[in-house]
Amino acid sequence: GAGVSQSPSNKVTEKGKDVELRCDPISGHTALYWYRQSLGQGLEFLIYFQGNSAPDKSGLPSDRFSAERTGGSVSTLTIQRTQQEDSAVYLCASSLPLTSGSSDTQYFGPGTRLTVL
Amino acid sequence: DAKTTQPPSMDCAEGRAANLPCNHSTISGNEYVYWYRQIHSQGPQYIIHGLKNNETNEMASLIITEDRKSSTLILPHATLRDTAVYYCIVRPYAGGTSYGKLTFGQGTILTVHP
Repeated sequence: GAGVSQSPSNKVTEKGKDVELRCDPISGHTALYWYRQSLGQGLEFLIYFQGNSAPDKSGLPSDRFSAERTGGSVSTLTIQRTQQEDSAVYLCASSLPLTSGSSDTQYFGPGTRLTVL
Repeated sequence: DAKTTQPPSMDCAEGRAANLPCNHSTISGNEYVYWYRQIHSQGPQYIIHGLKNNETNEMASLIITEDRKSSTLILPHATLRDTAVYYCIVRPYAGGTSYGKLTFGQGTILTVHP
């Protein structure tokens, strides 16, 4: 079946511009995650959605970063007034609902490579 | 901060078994051990996970010590396409608002050579 898809695959923008990154999770996956991977850095967690709500936003690096999810499916990560340090690969993952006593494997998309000039 | 320790790099000959170790001495009773890998320029790929019993699937085997403080991922017949960064992650399976996230360390760069 179809996996997690992300768009665009590459985005080049100028410093100060706003960007929107899109994630389409696997059908039926109500949990959705955003991570980012900077050059030479490991993967770091940004935000987690269960349905349309975000119980964990602890990884968002500043208030320039926001994310929303509507209809329990597609999610958009928005970065306002982009800075050069925002350059990274932004990864999305989805999983089945997180329920007590279950282990819910996250499946990742291919990522969006963001370059801020 | 990551709760696992892995060697930074390992080599393996094609066709041989690759055994990747991971220490997780502070693992809690409600935490699983997960393994992912990331091939260059791709998103992380799920491999296998386990709680306390050994596990096997079509990709790999996972051996967890009885005290659960360490584990080994085994790729039984490594191929060149298995060259990747391998991440060992501990993750709680229930409870709390942040238990869903994965915390990645630096992983092990596995290089499979002909």
